[in-house]
Amino acid sequence: EVQLVQSGAEVKKPGESLNISCKGSGYSFSSYWIGWVRQMPGKGLEWMGIIYAGGSDTRYSPSFQGQVTISADKSINTAYLHWSSLRASDTAMYFCARHLGGSYKGAFDLWGQGTMVTVSS
Amino acid sequence: EIVLTQSPGTLSLSPGERATLSCRASQTVSSNYFAWYQQKPGQAPRLLIYGVSSRATGIPDRFSGSGSGTDFTLTISRLEPEDFAVYYCQQYDNSPRNFGQGTKLEIK
Repeated sequence: EVQLVQSGAEVKKPGESLNISCKGSGYSFSSYWIGWVRQMPGKGLEWMGIIYAGGSDTRYSPSFQGQVTISADKSINTAYLHWSSLRASDTAMYFCARHLGGSYKGAFDLWGQGTMVTVSS
Repeated sequence: EIVLTQSPGTLSLSPGERATLSCRASQTVSSNYFAWYQQKPGQAPRLLIYGVSSRATGIPDRFSGSGSGTDFTLTISRLEPEDFAVYYCQQYDNSPRNFGQGTKLEIK
C-alpha cells in the first residue's frame, strides 16, 4: 500500500527540541518531493516547506525559515521536521505530504495522518 | 508571495444542489499550477483537483475545476451528504506555495 505514516502525538515544554517523522512506503520514496503543512487548532493549512527525498534540496516558506529544519534520510524512507527550541505558538497538527508525480512543482497527492504537537509549560 | 483569497467563507446548501467555490490569486498563477483539496474534521486533506481541472485518482466526476490567471473555481454539480467539508485552494507555481483560507461547505 502506498502511504505516509507519521510519528505519534507529542507533548513538550517551551524551549525543548523535537523531531517528528514521516515514513513513506509502497513507492520510490527517494524520487519524490515531500512537504510539511501546519494546521493550528481550528485554522487553515499553511505550507511550511519541501525537500527532495533523494537529496538535500530544500525550500522553506519565509514564515518558517529559521524556525524549523526539514530533512530526509532516503536509506530509511523517512522525512523529518525538527525544532531546536519549541514555543507555545508551535502547538498545531503537522502533516507531511508527497508531490504528485514526483515533480518539483506538484500538488500534494498523498498525505500522512498528521502529528499533533502540543507545547505547554 | 501569492496570496489566495477564497469566497465565500461559508456556503450553506442542501444535498442535490450545485456548489460553486471561488479562489482569487493576488498574482497570475502560471502553467496551471493550481489545486483544490477537501478536508473533513479529524482527517488529513485530500487532493481533489490538480492542474486547475484534472481530477485526482478516485475523485467522482461531480467535482470539476476551472479558471486561469488569477481566478479559479471548484464546482460540485450535485452535492452528496459526504461533500460537506472544508475546501482549500493552493497554488504551487511560486514559493511559498500558499493555500487559501478555506471555504466551509455546510448543510442548509
